[in-house]
Amino acid sequence: DAGVIQSPRHEVTEMGQEVTLRCKPISGHNSLFWYRQTMMRGLELLIYFNNNVPIDDSGMPEDRFSAKMPNASFSTLKIQPSEPRDSAVYFCASSFGSSNQPQHFGDGTRLSIL
Amino acid sequence: DAKTTQPTSMDCAEGRAANLPCNHSTISGNEYVYWYRQIHSQGPQYIIHGLKNNETNEMASLIITEDRKSSTLILPHATLRDTAVYYCIVRVGYGGSQGNLIFGKGTKLSVKP
Repeated sequence: DAGVIQSPRHEVTEMGQEVTLRCKPISGHNSLFWYRQTMMRGLELLIYFNNNVPIDDSGMPEDRFSAKMPNASFSTLKIQPSEPRDSAVYFCASSFGSSNQPQHFGDGTRLSIL
Repeated sequence: DAKTTQPTSMDCAEGRAANLPCNHSTISGNEYVYWYRQIHSQGPQYIIHGLKNNETNEMASLIITEDRKSSTLILPHATLRDTAVYYCIVRVGYGGSQGNLIFGKGTKLSVKP
């Protein structure tokens, strides 16, 4: 079975450019999560969706970050404009239902802002 | 802040059982214990979770003490590919806080030949 699919796997871009990260959750899962991982701060939840609706975006660092989930099989995380401090690995995860079901993670996008 | 305490690192000989402890003395009655691991440059991988009973799946066993204040993840026959950072996480299993998987620093397990 296909797991959570993220693209691109690696992104290198210059400061000020727009960056779009993409995620395809596991089919049938109705919750989707975006995380960011850095050496300094570890793994942090940015935002999560339930049934395509954003439920908690309190982890989004600032207005430069935005996330959308136009349908059950696709989500984007956009950074505009990007800054060097946004460099991190961004993970997407999905789960089924709103109970104790575990989240399953993609392999992440390694983002470098020069 | 993470609600769990784990050793920073552990070693295990290949083929032997790896026993990874976790303290969660402030766990609430409706909080589950989850274990994930992260192999270098990959996303966190779900291993197992439980509420109060011991659990076993194809990857590992989870032993939760009767007072639920601590647990142990057991990898019965560790291989070199089990070398990873292991995270023990507690969280409620429902509703609005469903997104709150709070990862601490975990235990770096090194499996040695």
